[in-house]
Amino acid sequence: NAGVIQTPRHKVTGKGQEATLWCEPISGHSAVFWYRQTIVQGLEFLTYFRNQAPIDDSGMPKERFSAQMPNQSHSTLKIQSTQPQDSAVYLCASSLEASTNSDYTFGSGTRLLVI
Amino acid sequence: GDSVTQKEGLVTLTEGLPVMLNCTYQTIYSNAFLFWYVHYLNESPRLLLKSSTDNKRTEHQGFHATLHKSSSSFHLQKSSAQLSDSALYYCALQSSNTNKVVFGTGTRLQVLP
Repeated sequence: NAGVIQTPRHKVTGKGQEATLWCEPISGHSAVFWYRQTIVQGLEFLTYFRNQAPIDDSGMPKERFSAQMPNQSHSTLKIQSTQPQDSAVYLCASSLEASTNSDYTFGSGTRLLVI
Repeated sequence: GDSVTQKEGLVTLTEGLPVMLNCTYQTIYSNAFLFWYVHYLNESPRLLLKSSTDNKRTEHQGFHATLHKSSSSFHLQKSSAQLSDSALYYCALQSSNTNKVVFGTGTRLQVLP
């Protein structure tokens, strides 16, 4: 079990460019979550999927952020027209089921730097 | 909506002293699960301990916490800090109306020799 795999580990992008982040959840986990980690906000919820269906995207900045889960083996987070304030560590997590008391397994994260 | 408050951004103490990291939460739902996640440098955040039972002590790896619904608190404690405990600690809440977990802003614990 390789755990939750996130690629790339680091990404540097110029202001205004697009960034796509990838997440491969643990096989058999039905829920996938995306969080953004910053010093000021801590771990900030972005969105989550259950059995590939989008369930809650209340944390997503609507205009430039989008997330998809085209199959059970991967999810993507896309940021269009990146801005310096998007610089953060983006963490993906999966859990066996999307229910209360279901533990998260986090990936190592993608550190995004927008210059 | 649900929220978690960790007032201390940084806690610095000397090895061997007791640890207490504060966590309070807000939710309108009675069935809440509280978690502590630990994030070591260059690793992924991982679950340290969790609880949903009022006034019951939960322990793992030398750390313990007790959920007190009357005060909406779930403070993390350890009797004697070790250098290896230095990490970022997140308190988190999952309430019965949603499957997502809401995290606090985190407390960085720095243990000095």
